[in-house]
Amino acid sequence: AQKITQTQPGMFVQEKEAVTLDCTYDTSDPSYGLFWYKQPSSGEMIFLIYQGSYDQQNATEGRYSLNFQKARKSANLVISASQLGDSAMYFCAMRGAGNQFYFGTGTSLTVIP
Amino acid sequence: DSGVTQTPKHLITATGQRVTLRCSPRSGDLSVYWYQQSLDQGLQFLIHYYNGEERAKGNILERFSAQQFPDLHSELNLSSLELGDSALYFCASSVPQGMSTEAFFGQGTRLTVV
Repeated sequence: AQKITQTQPGMFVQEKEAVTLDCTYDTSDPSYGLFWYKQPSSGEMIFLIYQGSYDQQNATEGRYSLNFQKARKSANLVISASQLGDSAMYFCAMRGAGNQFYFGTGTSLTVIP
Repeated sequence: DSGVTQTPKHLITATGQRVTLRCSPRSGDLSVYWYQQSLDQGLQFLIHYYNGEERAKGNILERFSAQQFPDLHSELNLSSLELGDSALYFCASSVPQGMSTEAFFGQGTRLTVV
């Protein structure tokens, strides 16, 4: 069975600092994709970054990077130079062989001015 | 704009009633997923349709049902509504296969059962 675990219900970060949001996953599929989404208070789900299970390098998208450690089954999101607009819920997700997307319970990030 | 359209955006209804939520996926996407997000909760996977056929069921109650039509739009039917069904319901769509493509989400339908 697929499972995504996000152990940090809430995180705080000072503006302009970097923050790491943790995500671990469990799957028996040899091939899978890992995703991070942002959900601001307005409710929409915004795709941030993708990492493939066979990708050798960590994914980066602007201020977002994904710290992928396959052996440890972790896919942590790193946000550099935090901005006030980064305050939101962040969800880690995995897409496996069945093509379903499984989501973690989310981490609420608050950026402090 | 993700290209996924959900209607209505908001819905208020009474307990015991039945409602239908509608989703139009992105052009070309054959897969449609439904998720329920209750207050301060993560996204609970309800059901996945691919090109009109049910592919997987998650934590979907028997009072809930869904279908995907030949034009690929999907409807989620919720019946005998209870207060606990109040939630944000998301539809997402994706390309048929391949791990690298994200799910594109609609804006969600916020259902309030009173």
